[in-house]
Amino acid sequence: KAGVTQTPRYLIKTRGQQVTLSCSPISGHRSVSWYQQTPGQGLQFLFEYFSETQRNKGNFPGRFSGRQFSNSRSEMNVSTLELGDSALYLCASNYNSYEQYFGPGTRLTVT
Amino acid sequence: GQQVMQIPQYQHVQEGEDFTTYCNSSTTLSNIQWYKQRPGGHPVFLIQLVKSGEVKKQKRLTFQFGEAKKNSSLHITATQTTDVGTYFCAGPKTGNQFYFGTGTSLTVIP
Repeated sequence: KAGVTQTPRYLIKTRGQQVTLSCSPISGHRSVSWYQQTPGQGLQFLFEYFSETQRNKGNFPGRFSGRQFSNSRSEMNVSTLELGDSALYLCASNYNSYEQYFGPGTRLTVT
Repeated sequence: GQQVMQIPQYQHVQEGEDFTTYCNSSTTLSNIQWYKQRPGGHPVFLIQLVKSGEVKKQKRLTFQFGEAKKNSSLHITATQTTDVGTYFCAGPKTGNQFYFGTGTSLTVIP
């Protein structure tokens, strides 16, 4: 099976812009979770989608949003970018609430 | 709120030495997972522990889940350069929402 894919792999944006990141889970996986990874804060949970519904949400401002499509592909959107949003954004897919399979991540730099 | 703390934050060892990282939760966990992230890579699942006092081994890696299900450890015997990376523990909150520990970055000096 192909692994989790994320696009784009690298992104540079300026403050105030918005960005959309994409994640394609492993075939058959209906759960997709998003994480933000920074050197200072580690891995922080953003949200989880299952069958097109947001099932869990972390403690992030409303500028961070996401959605999931009927084919389980997921997107996350960050509006009004701030310098502190610079991070590696990882998505992970999951089949049965067991191990999470992470994608390679999208490295976002906000200038 | 629930927190998962991990120590140490960094560890440098000579190749062949042992290594241990500890994970502590402020609340009882239903299970705990361990992941490894190589430099420049993404987290890769290693194992899940579910039972109180559970011990699992994967070759040179030994994982333990505390009796109270609030702490866990990962021990690597005779480290190799291939063990380099950051090791994370992760405890569930609800469903697939996980709290990840701060991670322990392991450097192995040849």
